[in-house]
Amino acid sequence: GAGVSQSPSNKVTEKGKDVELRCDPISGHTALYWYRQSLGQGLEFLIYFQGNSAPDKSGLPSDRFSAERTGGSVSTLTIQRTQQEDSAVYLCASSTSRGSYEQYFGPGTRLTVT
Amino acid sequence: DQQVKQNSPSLSVQEGRISILNCDYTNSMFDYFLWYKKYPAEGPTFLISISSIKDKNEDGRFTVFLNKSAKHLSLHIVPSQPGDSAVYFCAARGTSYDKVIFGPGTSLSVIP
Repeated sequence: GAGVSQSPSNKVTEKGKDVELRCDPISGHTALYWYRQSLGQGLEFLIYFQGNSAPDKSGLPSDRFSAERTGGSVSTLTIQRTQQEDSAVYLCASSTSRGSYEQYFGPGTRLTVT
Repeated sequence: DQQVKQNSPSLSVQEGRISILNCDYTNSMFDYFLWYKKYPAEGPTFLISISSIKDKNEDGRFTVFLNKSAKHLSLHIVPSQPGDSAVYFCAARGTSYDKVIFGPGTSLSVIP
């Protein structure tokens, strides 16, 4: 079946502009995560959605970052007034809440802020 | 405060030998541990996992060992192959509704 998809795959934007990154999780997965990976760094947790519960936003680095998940499926990560330090690969993952809890990752969106 | 640690940023191993990747954690409430592999320009892919009620889980060339008293786990790859060259992330979670927390990763290079 279809895996996790993300769009766009690459995004180049000017400093100060807003960007929206999209994630389509695997159908039926109740959990959805956003991470980012800066050059040479590990996976930085951003936000976690689990079913209808309030999202865990503890990883969002500033109030310029926000995310929503509509209808328990598609998620959008929005970065307002982008800065050069926002340049990174943004990864989305989804999982069930039972069994092995393994996450399935999308290919990521490479964001470059010039 | 980093709850999942991978203290070796990189590791080089000869093809055919054993690769051992280590991971330490601080939260005793973690009860499920996972390893992911990541190639450049791709998202991480799940490799193997272990529940806290076990001390070993094996899948082909990959074996994960868990030492709960030491809060330590390790991933063994034997024999190592050049295609195993990737970044390996250790991850952990508590209850089924807790978020998964990743370590910083270890970059493995398997030399032919």
